[in-house]
Amino acid sequence: NAGVTQTPKFRVLKTGQSMTLLCAQDMNHEYMYWYRQDPGMGLRLIHYSVGEGTTAKGEVPDGYNVSRLKKQNFLLGLESAAPSQTSVYFCASSYSEKAAGEKLFFGSGTQLSVL
Amino acid sequence: DQQVKQNSPSLSVQEGRISILNCDYTNSMFDYFLWYKKYPAEGPTFLISISSIKDKNEDGRFTVFLNKSAKHLSLHIVPSQPGDSAVYFCAADGGSYQLTFGKGTKLSVIP
Repeated sequence: NAGVTQTPKFRVLKTGQSMTLLCAQDMNHEYMYWYRQDPGMGLRLIHYSVGEGTTAKGEVPDGYNVSRLKKQNFLLGLESAAPSQTSVYFCASSYSEKAAGEKLFFGSGTQLSVL
Repeated sequence: DQQVKQNSPSLSVQEGRISILNCDYTNSMFDYFLWYKKYPAEGPTFLISISSIKDKNEDGRFTVFLNKSAKHLSLHIVPSQPGDSAVYFCAADGGSYQLTFGKGTKLSVIP
């Protein structure tokens, strides 16, 4: 059972380059999320989706775009990478219509460095 | 301003002893609390949760206590094992689609 799969696991970008992080889940979850984790910080929500074709902004959405064309996939895009976007990115999914009380299932993360 | 605070960045405990990880929150709207455990190079995994209508929830060696009046919760691990060495995140939910996470506490269990 794969759960939540993120690709790539590591990436180095130069300032101004673009890239897309892919998240795939095989649990038929409606809800998907992108978080970033920085040293000394907790996980902060970038964007989330409550179903296929929907997206919404989280706590730190600037500089990122997302798409949910298929229920099982949630893509995170960086159009013009900046050093401030150096971070570890985690995708997560959940079944419930409400995050409260419903545990999130996380992928193993993508380490992104922007030089 | 941090709404979920884990004031201890790290904690070291001897194997077999009790580990107590603390978490404080400021938002009275939070009604559900979760603990996640994270190993290096892996994503966080759910550990245990508690609703605001309870003051204690137990799952094997793990117990979470909630003190609503003090806006404080704690995770107790008894007995602690070397495999428990990880970063533990406290998270809170106030009814939106997003959880608010603390900064995490790195637990080291010394054999």
